[in-house]
Amino acid sequence: NAGVTQTPKFQVLKTGQSMTLQCAQDMNHEYMSWYRQDPGMGLRLIHYSVGAGITDQGEVPNGYNVSRSTTEDFPLRLLSAAPSQTSVYFCASKRGGGNNSPLHFGNGTRLTVT
Amino acid sequence: GNSVTQMEGPVTLSEEAFLTINCTYTATGYPSLFWYVQYPGEGLQLLLKATKADDKGSNKGFEATYRKETTSFHLEKGSVQVSDSAVYFCALSEGAGNNRKLIWGLGTSLAVNP
Repeated sequence: NAGVTQTPKFQVLKTGQSMTLQCAQDMNHEYMSWYRQDPGMGLRLIHYSVGAGITDQGEVPNGYNVSRSTTEDFPLRLLSAAPSQTSVYFCASKRGGGNNSPLHFGNGTRLTVT
Repeated sequence: GNSVTQMEGPVTLSEEAFLTINCTYTATGYPSLFWYVQYPGEGLQLLLKATKADDKGSNKGFEATYRKETTSFHLEKGSVQVSDSAVYFCALSEGAGNNRKLIWGLGTSLAVNP
Protein backbone atom coordinates (compact mmCIF):
# COMPACT_ATOMS: atom_id res chain seq x y z
CA ASN A 1 0.00 0.00 0.00
CA ALA A 2 2.22 2.84 -1.29
CA GLY A 3 0.01 5.86 -0.48
CA VAL A 4 1.70 9.09 -1.57
CA THR A 5 5.13 8.68 -3.15
CA GLN A 6 7.50 11.61 -3.65
CA THR A 7 10.74 11.58 -5.59
CA PRO A 8 13.52 12.47 -5.16
CA LYS A 9 14.07 12.49 -1.37
CA PHE A 10 16.96 14.97 -1.63
CA GLN A 11 18.04 17.40 -4.34
CA VAL A 12 20.67 20.10 -4.66
CA LEU A 13 20.30 22.70 -7.42
CA LYS A 14 22.25 25.71 -8.51
CA THR A 15 20.49 29.04 -8.86
CA GLY A 16 18.70 29.22 -12.20
CA GLN A 17 18.42 25.48 -12.76
CA SER A 18 15.06 23.84 -13.33
CA MET A 19 13.67 20.63 -11.99
CA THR A 20 10.47 18.71 -11.37
CA LEU A 21 9.45 17.20 -8.05
CA GLN A 22 7.36 14.12 -8.64
CA CYS A 23 4.28 13.09 -6.66
CA ALA A 24 2.11 10.04 -7.24
CA GLN A 25 -0.75 8.56 -5.22
CA ASP A 26 -2.48 5.20 -5.62
CA MET A 27 -5.59 5.90 -3.52
CA ASN A 28 -7.69 7.41 -6.34
CA HIS A 29 -7.85 10.70 -4.44
CA GLU A 30 -9.39 13.63 -6.28
CA TYR A 31 -7.56 16.30 -4.28
CA MET A 32 -3.79 16.77 -4.39
CA SER A 33 -1.62 19.58 -3.11
CA TRP A 34 1.92 20.80 -2.59
CA TYR A 35 3.22 22.41 0.60
CA ARG A 36 6.56 23.79 1.62
CA GLN A 37 7.76 23.54 5.21
CA ASP A 38 10.22 26.08 6.54
CA PRO A 39 11.48 26.65 10.11
CA GLY A 40 9.29 29.16 11.93
CA MET A 41 6.87 29.36 9.00
CA GLY A 42 4.96 26.11 9.37
CA LEU A 43 3.29 24.63 6.29
CA ARG A 44 2.41 26.87 3.38
CA LEU A 45 0.25 25.79 0.47
CA ILE A 46 1.86 26.27 -2.96
CA HIS A 47 -0.66 24.83 -5.43
CA TYR A 48 -3.53 22.40 -5.29
CA SER A 49 -5.82 20.43 -7.59
CA VAL A 50 -9.36 19.17 -7.04
CA GLY A 51 -9.25 16.80 -9.99
CA ALA A 52 -7.53 15.93 -13.26
CA GLY A 53 -7.23 18.98 -15.49
CA ILE A 54 -7.92 21.45 -12.64
CA THR A 55 -5.25 23.35 -10.69
CA ASP A 56 -5.30 26.45 -8.52
CA GLN A 57 -2.88 28.61 -6.59
CA GLY A 58 -2.25 28.43 -2.89
CA GLU A 59 -0.72 31.12 -0.72
CA VAL A 60 2.86 30.97 -2.12
CA PRO A 61 2.60 30.01 -5.82
CA ASN A 62 5.26 32.29 -7.32
CA GLY A 63 8.17 30.44 -8.90
CA TYR A 64 6.28 27.14 -9.14
CA ASN A 65 4.13 25.51 -11.81
CA VAL A 66 1.91 22.45 -11.61
CA SER A 67 -0.21 20.32 -13.90
CA ARG A 68 -2.66 17.49 -13.30
CA SER A 69 -3.03 15.38 -16.43
CA THR A 70 -3.99 12.22 -14.49
CA THR A 71 -5.67 11.52 -11.18
CA GLU A 72 -2.52 9.81 -9.87
CA ASP A 73 0.22 12.34 -10.62
CA PHE A 74 0.78 15.96 -9.56
CA PRO A 75 4.31 17.16 -10.45
CA LEU A 76 5.70 20.45 -9.15
CA ARG A 77 8.04 22.36 -11.47
CA LEU A 78 10.64 24.92 -10.52
CA LEU A 79 11.51 26.75 -13.74
CA SER A 80 14.43 28.80 -12.40
CA ALA A 81 15.45 27.83 -8.88
CA ALA A 82 16.30 30.52 -6.33
CA PRO A 83 17.93 30.18 -2.88
CA SER A 84 14.59 31.28 -1.35
CA GLN A 85 13.14 27.99 -2.60
CA THR A 86 15.41 25.98 -0.31
CA SER A 87 12.86 24.05 1.75
CA VAL A 88 11.24 20.71 2.43
CA TYR A 89 8.39 20.04 0.01
CA PHE A 90 5.44 17.82 0.83
CA CYS A 91 2.81 16.46 -1.51
CA ALA A 92 -0.53 15.56 0.08
CA SER A 93 -3.76 14.07 -1.21
CA LYS A 94 -7.25 13.38 0.06
CA ARG A 95 -10.57 12.03 -1.05
CA GLY A 96 -12.53 14.98 -2.47
CA GLY A 97 -11.81 18.69 -2.21
CA GLY A 98 -14.70 19.91 -0.12
CA ASN A 99 -14.88 17.49 2.77
CA ASN A 100 -12.99 16.90 6.02
CA SER A 101 -11.35 13.63 5.01
CA PRO A 102 -7.73 13.52 6.19
CA LEU A 103 -4.77 14.62 4.13
CA HIS A 104 -2.27 11.86 3.30
CA PHE A 105 1.28 13.16 3.06
CA GLY A 106 4.34 11.87 1.26
CA ASN A 107 7.66 11.71 3.10
CA GLY A 108 8.94 14.92 1.57
CA THR A 109 11.66 16.19 -0.75
CA ARG A 110 14.46 18.19 0.83
CA LEU A 111 15.62 20.78 -1.72
CA THR A 112 18.71 22.96 -1.39
CA VAL A 113 19.36 25.75 -3.88
CA THR A 114 22.90 27.19 -3.83
CA GLY B 1 -8.61 36.09 8.50
CA ASN B 2 -8.67 32.73 10.20
CA SER B 3 -5.62 31.68 12.18
CA VAL B 4 -4.24 29.00 14.49
CA THR B 5 -1.86 29.65 17.38
CA GLN B 6 0.06 26.86 19.07
CA MET B 7 2.29 26.96 22.11
CA GLU B 8 5.92 27.30 21.21
CA GLY B 9 8.24 24.40 21.69
CA PRO B 10 10.29 22.52 22.17
CA VAL B 11 8.51 20.64 24.90
CA THR B 12 10.67 18.14 26.78
CA LEU B 13 9.09 15.56 29.08
CA SER B 14 10.07 12.39 30.86
CA GLU B 15 8.38 9.13 29.93
CA GLU B 16 4.95 8.68 31.58
CA ALA B 17 4.52 12.43 32.15
CA PHE B 18 1.27 14.24 31.31
CA LEU B 19 1.24 16.19 28.05
CA THR B 20 -0.69 19.29 27.08
CA ILE B 21 -0.05 21.21 23.88
CA ASN B 22 -2.18 24.33 23.66
CA CYS B 23 -3.95 25.36 20.47
CA THR B 24 -6.27 28.32 20.05
CA TYR B 25 -7.91 29.53 16.88
CA THR B 26 -9.63 32.50 15.30
CA ALA B 27 -12.33 31.68 12.80
CA THR B 28 -15.63 32.80 11.41
CA GLY B 29 -18.29 30.18 11.17
CA TYR B 30 -17.81 26.65 12.44
CA PRO B 31 -14.54 25.15 11.24
CA SER B 32 -13.42 21.58 11.76
CA LEU B 33 -10.28 21.19 13.87
CA PHE B 34 -7.42 18.75 13.48
CA TRP B 35 -4.20 17.57 15.08
CA TYR B 36 -1.55 16.15 12.77
CA VAL B 37 1.72 14.52 13.88
CA GLN B 38 5.06 14.45 12.04
CA TYR B 39 7.57 11.81 13.10
CA PRO B 40 11.24 12.39 12.25
CA GLY B 41 11.94 12.07 8.53
CA GLU B 42 8.31 11.52 7.62
CA GLY B 43 5.33 13.45 6.31
CA LEU B 44 2.45 14.54 8.49
CA GLN B 45 -0.35 12.18 9.39
CA LEU B 46 -3.74 12.83 10.94
CA LEU B 47 -3.79 12.16 14.67
CA LEU B 48 -7.37 13.19 15.51
CA LYS B 49 -10.10 15.59 14.51
CA ALA B 50 -13.33 17.20 15.73
CA THR B 51 -15.99 18.64 13.47
CA LYS B 52 -18.30 20.51 15.84
CA ALA B 53 -18.36 22.20 19.23
CA ASP B 54 -17.92 19.90 22.26
CA ASP B 55 -16.74 17.00 20.06
CA LYS B 56 -13.80 15.08 21.49
CA GLY B 57 -11.33 13.57 19.07
CA SER B 58 -9.15 10.71 20.33
CA ASN B 59 -6.50 8.36 18.98
CA LYS B 60 -3.46 6.47 20.35
CA GLY B 61 -4.15 7.80 23.86
CA PHE B 62 -4.28 11.43 22.69
CA GLU B 63 -7.41 13.52 23.15
CA ALA B 64 -8.58 17.01 22.21
CA THR B 65 -11.96 18.70 22.81
CA TYR B 66 -13.41 21.36 20.51
CA ARG B 67 -14.19 24.26 22.87
CA LYS B 68 -16.06 27.00 21.07
CA GLU B 69 -16.42 29.19 24.15
CA THR B 70 -12.63 29.42 24.55
CA THR B 71 -11.81 28.85 20.83
CA SER B 72 -9.39 26.10 21.84
CA PHE B 73 -8.45 22.57 20.83
CA HIS B 74 -5.72 21.57 23.28
CA LEU B 75 -4.00 18.22 22.78
CA GLU B 76 -3.55 16.00 25.86
CA LYS B 77 -2.12 12.61 26.71
CA GLY B 78 -2.03 11.11 30.16
CA SER B 79 1.26 9.21 29.89
CA VAL B 80 3.70 9.93 27.06
CA GLN B 81 6.16 7.44 25.63
CA VAL B 82 9.51 7.93 23.92
CA SER B 83 7.80 6.95 20.66
CA ASP B 84 5.57 10.06 20.95
CA SER B 85 8.57 12.28 20.20
CA ALA B 86 7.48 14.21 17.11
CA VAL B 87 6.21 17.57 15.90
CA TYR B 88 2.50 18.21 16.45
CA PHE B 89 0.45 20.55 14.25
CA CYS B 90 -2.94 22.02 15.00
CA ALA B 91 -5.06 23.00 11.99
CA LEU B 92 -8.52 24.23 11.08
CA SER B 93 -10.47 23.94 7.86
CA GLU B 94 -11.95 27.05 6.31
CA GLY B 95 -14.03 27.76 3.24
CA ALA B 96 -16.63 25.61 1.54
CA GLY B 97 -16.87 23.16 -1.29
CA ASN B 98 -13.76 22.76 -3.37
CA ASN B 99 -12.27 25.92 -1.84
CA ARG B 100 -12.01 24.34 1.58
CA LYS B 101 -8.43 24.73 2.85
CA LEU B 102 -6.46 23.98 5.97
CA ILE B 103 -4.97 26.74 8.12
CA TRP B 104 -1.95 25.42 10.01
CA GLY B 105 -0.30 26.27 13.29
CA LEU B 106 3.50 26.47 13.32
CA GLY B 107 3.95 23.12 15.04
CA THR B 108 5.16 22.14 18.51
CA SER B 109 8.14 19.86 18.88
CA LEU B 110 7.90 17.23 21.63
CA ALA B 111 10.87 15.27 22.95
CA VAL B 112 10.23 12.46 25.45
CA ASN B 113 13.20 11.18 27.42
CA PRO B 114 13.38 7.65 28.87
